Amino acid sequence: DSGVTQTPKHLITATGQRVTLRCSPRSGDLSVYWYQQSLDQGLQFLIQYYNGEERAKGNILERFSAQQFPDLHSELNLSSLELGDSALYFCASSVDGANQPQHFGDGTRLSIL
Amino acid sequence: GNSVTQMEGPVTLSEEAFLTINCTYTATGYPSLFWYVQYPGEGLQLLLKATKADDKGSNKGFEATYRKETTSFHLEKGSVQVSDSAVYFCALGSSGAGSYQLTFGKGTKLSVIP
Repeated sequence: DSGVTQTPKHLITATGQRVTLRCSPRSGDLSVYWYQQSLDQGLQFLIQYYNGEERAKGNILERFSAQQFPDLHSELNLSSLELGDSALYFCASSVDGANQPQHFGDGTRLSIL
Repeated sequence: GNSVTQMEGPVTLSEEAFLTINCTYTATGYPSLFWYVQYPGEGLQLLLKATKADDKGSNKGFEATYRKETTSFHLEKGSVQVSDSAVYFCALGSSGAGSYQLTFGKGTKLSVIP
């Protein structure tokens, strides 16, 4: 058990819809990272937050947004969903933003019908 | 930009065989290097890491040495077990302007048969 909790585990929705994925980091970790894992693109970094502030952006679409709340949990919002957004979305956390191992949750599997 | 290339899978080995999964990287500066493992239905788990040239990371019988001259971080294990069946990801960690991100290879699926 990594200590990182992601909900829900599975999400099935339709094109054009909006969903919110939630992540609770390990106790004491200030940094949260979001990744997308798909068969064709592999594991891609989306965005990083550190103590409530956005720190780095990767290959995140404009239709996607995230935030980290004062209690350090984070949410990833995906809107105007397309079939190609079907993937596993992982959250990871680390103590700080520099050079520390990242601990991953079990992921949310998003299926767009 | 940064990139990681690891050998394509799948790799199928018999129990007690020797394992090597090749990983090479392209990066500016002095990145840290990681191997993560993903068991079916689970998230990624850190297997080992190395933070500077010539460092050797090791865990659970797995080893990898950070080779700056060949920009490589190959994963090895002397005798694999069925329980090692999983997908292995090589990753590069880079810092910049208060941020930190991991760049992953595409993963190598390992199946160990009894």
